[in-house]
Amino acid sequence: ELKVEQNPLFLSMQEGKNYTIYCNYSTTSDRLYWYRQDPGKSLESLFVLLSNGAVKQEGRLMASLDTKARLSTLHITAAVHDLSATYFCAVDMNRGGADGLTFGKGTHLIIQP
Amino acid sequence: NAGVMQNPRHLVRRRGQEARLRCSPMKGHSHVYWYRQLPEEGLKFMVYLQKENIIDESGMPKERFSAEFPKEGPSILRIQQVVRGDSAAYFCASSRDRGHYGYTFGSGTRLTVV
Repeated sequence: ELKVEQNPLFLSMQEGKNYTIYCNYSTTSDRLYWYRQDPGKSLESLFVLLSNGAVKQEGRLMASLDTKARLSTLHITAAVHDLSATYFCAVDMNRGGADGLTFGKGTHLIIQP
Repeated sequence: NAGVMQNPRHLVRRRGQEARLRCSPMKGHSHVYWYRQLPEEGLKFMVYLQKENIIDESGMPKERFSAEFPKEGPSILRIQQVVRGDSAAYFCASSRDRGHYGYTFGSGTRLTVV
């Protein structure tokens, strides 16, 4: 069974600081996704990482994938309050023709002025 | 492009009633996925459907829950005889080509069982 673990689960940080969220997964998978969720809202797609060594950046967020280590990171640079949200990583289940995502529990990020 | 449309946004049911949740995928998407999110948890996969076919229902509880995606009309997630533990947010996602280009999520239906 595919397991996806994120850490930390809760993170409070100050504006202007840098931090990294980690996502480990237990079995081989083709694709890894990062999503953002604001309270009471749906999931907003941030990144799709398709291959080993993939790195994608959008604004103050950068995501990377190491398939050998089964690890993805989401790095936040010079955090601003607007980035406060819950961030999920998810991995394609890729099981014999049936797809869908297995999610981590999410990282609740609070950025304080 | 209207995106993935789910309705209703909020649904309140008494214990023992039936709940019907609807999902219309994005235009051009033929793959539909249902997920359940409990408070403070990540999303849990329930079922994957294509038009008129259930491809994978390994995440669905074996009783009271069913899903369909008919040839015409939206996908329906049906919960019979709801119990308090069914209270959750239910999200639908759609994709083309089984997620290679990513998944688009709807706004969710928040089910409250009283």
